Amino acid sequence: EAQVTQNPRYLITVTGKKLTVTCSQNMNHEYMSWYRQDPGLGLRQIYYSMNVEVTDKGDVPEGYKVSRKEKRNFPLILESPSPNQTSLYFCASSLRAQRDVLEKLFFGSGTQLSVL
Amino acid sequence: AQSVTQLDSQVPVFEEAPVELRCNYSSSVSVYLFWYVQYPNQGLQLLLKYLSGSTLVKGINGFEAEFNKSQTSFHLRKPSVHISDTAEYFCAVSDNYNFNKFYFGSGTKLNVKP
Repeated sequence: EAQVTQNPRYLITVTGKKLTVTCSQNMNHEYMSWYRQDPGLGLRQIYYSMNVEVTDKGDVPEGYKVSRKEKRNFPLILESPSPNQTSLYFCASSLRAQRDVLEKLFFGSGTQLSVL
Repeated sequence: AQSVTQLDSQVPVFEEAPVELRCNYSSSVSVYLFWYVQYPNQGLQLLLKYLSGSTLVKGINGFEAEFNKSQTSFHLRKPSVHISDTAEYFCAVSDNYNFNKFYFGSGTKLNVKP
């Protein structure tokens, strides 16, 4: 089954304790992206990746890191989480993102993060 | 950067009634427009997209949207809603300048009542 898998589904942590949220897709997609969803703000893009070893900042990259060492995986790293990073996080992937050939985004089920 | 405005945070409607969910965007350059739906405890799913061509776009589940360049709008419509359409709907925009970036609106919760 084609899917985007995020882990964990729920995560409670404390300020400053490094964490990683994993994202994996089994569709051989080139493009992957991370979003955070906050009430009243919709989804905001954190980082995206066009392909292996190619990443770039979205609108709200501060406090986050990503890596794309393999095509299928795109982990989101919070080196020193703070309470303002409490949010619902979504990973998404797409076959490719090229002008005039924008494919739809496939979303994971989300990770609810609480930073105390 | 783009901005996307969904004016209605919540839209209550009775079953079998028509509905319109409004979306306006800021850019004057060529844009690509999307509507996504989020059911409870799930990720987002694509309803429809506009890249070019006909301004009336038909999507899944009987939804359609019309691109209006002069009014920078991309409103979503359905002539007759079902209880199962209860969900949150997000409008999203990308543009010709940076098609790798997607900008989402704040969402509209559609509540279909029996």
